[in-house]
Formats: sequence, structure tokens, C-alpha cells
Amino acid sequence: DQQVKQNSPSLSVQEGRISILNCDYTNSMFDYFLWYKKYPAEGPTFLISISSIKDKNEDGRFTVFLNKSAKHLSLHIVPSQPGDSAVYFCAASGNAGGTSYGKLTFGQGTILTVHP
Amino acid sequence: EADIYQTPRYLVIGTGKKITLECSQTMGHDKMYWYQQDPGMELHLIHYSYGVNSTEKGDLSSESTVSRIRTEHFPLTLESARPSHTSQYLCASSWTRGRETQYFGPGTRLLVL
Repeated sequence: DQQVKQNSPSLSVQEGRISILNCDYTNSMFDYFLWYKKYPAEGPTFLISISSIKDKNEDGRFTVFLNKSAKHLSLHIVPSQPGDSAVYFCAASGNAGGTSYGKLTFGQGTILTVHP
Repeated sequence: EADIYQTPRYLVIGTGKKITLECSQTMGHDKMYWYQQDPGMELHLIHYSYGVNSTEKGDLSSESTVSRIRTEHFPLTLESARPSHTSQYLCASSWTRGRETQYFGPGTRLLVL
């Protein structure tokens, strides 16, 4: 049962344009969401996070939007740069208590390619 | 910037060998995690620890074992490697309090022949 889904395996955008990466979740106990960027043969790098008490969080070129009613979040990258080309994972965490606290559930990832 | 290290980065080994993947962090984080990731797939949690002498199995069943004798060190051991263990292994750490972000090491790519 995939609790966090990234339905687009890949996305291709032109340099300077906006990249929008989407993520859907099914578990209503999730209340903290993160985006990671990953290059091949490297570990994921944390990009940005959002708590369920917010609907938007911005950090430089990166903005994450959360729509709790739709159980949907998105990552906007503006403007996109060739160096942004990587795999992007969304992840979710929930305070279900006990040993599940702090554990992350990841989506399958979306390959972003930014063309010069 | 996170200070979390994994060795080796790449390992090619024959079936039946015992291997230990090392993970160390210098941030004093009390929580540590091991994930397994195959190409094009999500990361799956295989082990986690909330502190010294605390280890738990994750969501994905794994034949590996872990230990946490020191806060900064969280090694993963496979007693007898098999080709099905071929994968990328990622170590992460975080603080306990609040909604703390997990920081990842560079990973170990394991190939079992």
C-alpha cells in the first residue's frame, strides 16, 4: 500500500521556467512533509519542509504548497536551473505515537531534467 | 550541512561473505536510520535507532542486523551476502525533538555476485 505517491516518473523543463513536482498521500496521520533532492550514487539532500499547520513554505527558489483537504503537496522551483536536474523525493511523517514518531515514508521519486 | 559518513561507498563482494556497512555522524543526533533503495524506487526503512542500545526493525523486512553501542556509530551487518542484497544502502540521522529533518549520508552501493 503506497501511502505517498509521486505519479509523474519524470519531468522535463526549460532553464528559467518553473518546475512543479507533485506528491499525493493517503494517510491522514501525516502532518510533516519534506522534499529531498538526490543525485545518482549519492544520498538524498534535504531541500524544504512544511508542517500541516501551514499551507506554504518558501526558501529561495523553492516553494512547497500543501493542500490538506486534497492530501496533495507540490514543490515549485523558480527559476529552474540545469543544476536542479536530479531525482526529487517527497516524504511524509506522522505523529501516530510510539515507535512511528519521526519515521519517514517516501514517494517513488520524480526525475527532473532542466534543459539549457 | 550534515556531517554523516558512510563507508565503503562501493562494495562488490561474493555470495556468502559477511559484510559490515559503516555509518557515523558527528552531529550528536540521537536518532539514526538505515534505508534501502533500488533504482527508480522509493527509499524503504529497514532499521532505526532512537539512542544507544536501542534498535528496531523498519517497515521493510531485511536479513541485515544493526547495533548502536555509541551515539555516533550505527553499523549494518549482513552475515551472509546474497545477490538479492544488491542495492543502495543509505544511513540517516536526526534529533529526537519535534519534527526534525533526517540528514543522509552518501550511501553505499552494494553488488553481490
